[in-house]
Amino acid sequence: AQSVTQPDIHITVSEGASLELRCNYSYGATPYLFWYVQSPGQGLQLLLKYFSGDTLVQGIKGFEAEFKRSQSSFNLRKPSVHWSDAAEYFCAVESNAGKSTFGDGTTLTVKP
Amino acid sequence: DGGITQSPKYLFRKEGQNVTLSCEQNLNHDAMYWYRQDPGQGLRLIYYSQIVNDFQKGDIAEGYSVSREKKESFPLTVTSAQKNPTAFYLCASRARDSYGYTFGSGTRLTVV
Repeated sequence: AQSVTQPDIHITVSEGASLELRCNYSYGATPYLFWYVQSPGQGLQLLLKYFSGDTLVQGIKGFEAEFKRSQSSFNLRKPSVHWSDAAEYFCAVESNAGKSTFGDGTTLTVKP
Repeated sequence: DGGITQSPKYLFRKEGQNVTLSCEQNLNHDAMYWYRQDPGQGLRLIYYSQIVNDFQKGDIAEGYSVSREKKESFPLTVTSAQKNPTAFYLCASRARDSYGYTFGSGTRLTVV
């Protein structure tokens, strides 16, 4: 069975500082991996996705993520955080059947 | 613009009543999904449908029912058998030969 673990429930960073959100997955085959962002009371928006090829993928809003098969990880990064990045972030793995399993999310707070 | 429309945004019902949440998409996507989100938790799959007139149970289908009579519509009924229906419900869709979901903005259901 596929699963996703986001070890950090809540992270606080200062505006302008770098950010890394951790994600570990469990999946039997080559994973399809995603990061989504959710603002309070809203749906989720796809930030970026990994299928194959280059292990460093670029997404919207200046985010990037790196796939490391040996560590079963897909961590999300941003070099310089903006106050508008404050939100909840979800990592997900999608099976060949199109079903996605989500982590429990990491809430990002940005200090001025 | 194409997207997913969930209605209503807020819904209040008395305990013991059935309630139906609407989800409509104009993206021409084949697959549609219903997820439930509780505070501090990730998304849990209720039901999904890959094609019209066919749907499968997800991880927490008990107390819920769905139909898929049209490609663009995937309504979710929360029945009186659902023990704890108060939650945020998210509808999503995916194109046939693509990965990653498009989400609606959600319906917050409160049962009193």
